[in-house]
Amino acid sequence: EAGVVQSPRYKIIEKKQPVAFWCNPISGHNTLYWYLQNLGQGPELLIRYENEEAVDDSQLPKDRFSAERLKGVDSTLKIQPAELGDSAVYLCASSLGRRAEETQYFGPGTRLLVL
Amino acid sequence: AQSVTQLGSHVSVSEGALVLLRCNYSSSVPPYLFWYVQYPNQGLQLLLKYTSAATLVKGINGFEAEFKKSETSFHLTKPSAHMSDAAEYFCAVSGTGNQFYFGTGTSLTVIP
Repeated sequence: EAGVVQSPRYKIIEKKQPVAFWCNPISGHNTLYWYLQNLGQGPELLIRYENEEAVDDSQLPKDRFSAERLKGVDSTLKIQPAELGDSAVYLCASSLGRRAEETQYFGPGTRLLVL
Repeated sequence: AQSVTQLGSHVSVSEGALVLLRCNYSSSVPPYLFWYVQYPNQGLQLLLKYTSAATLVKGINGFEAEFKKSETSFHLTKPSAHMSDAAEYFCAVSGTGNQFYFGTGTSLTVIP
């Protein structure tokens, strides 16, 4: 079974440019997460989806970040405009449901460098 | 509120020696605890998890962890380190809605 797929794997952009990341979760997983991982740190949740509904976006900087999960499957995370401080790894994860004991499965991440 | 603290951002062990990575948690409810491993330029892979069944949890690649409520700890161990164990290790506790709270990670170096 395929794991969580993310693209692109690497992205280099200039500041003030827009950028988008794509995630395809494991088939049948209803819950999807976007995490931000800064260098030397653990992942931090940006947004969580239950099917197509964003149920926790309290950590998403809404002035420049947006996300969508159309049809409750694939998801896109966008930054517009990007800032130097956005350079980080953006991880997508999915789980079957939202019970606290469920395992989250992570994609390889998108490494963003803003120049 | 849930949180985890990983003591020691860098740990070095000799090949064949015991691996001990420390994790202490804070949780207002019975916790669910996880250990993940991250190899360079890869995502996080689950090593093991505690879900209130057996307190000694066995995971992949020979790793295990013991849940100790009295010490609020969930330390990760492996009897004999292998070169392939060199990676970043993250402890996490899950909260409401399965939101994970990760520690800052421990980088494991294995010396040949």
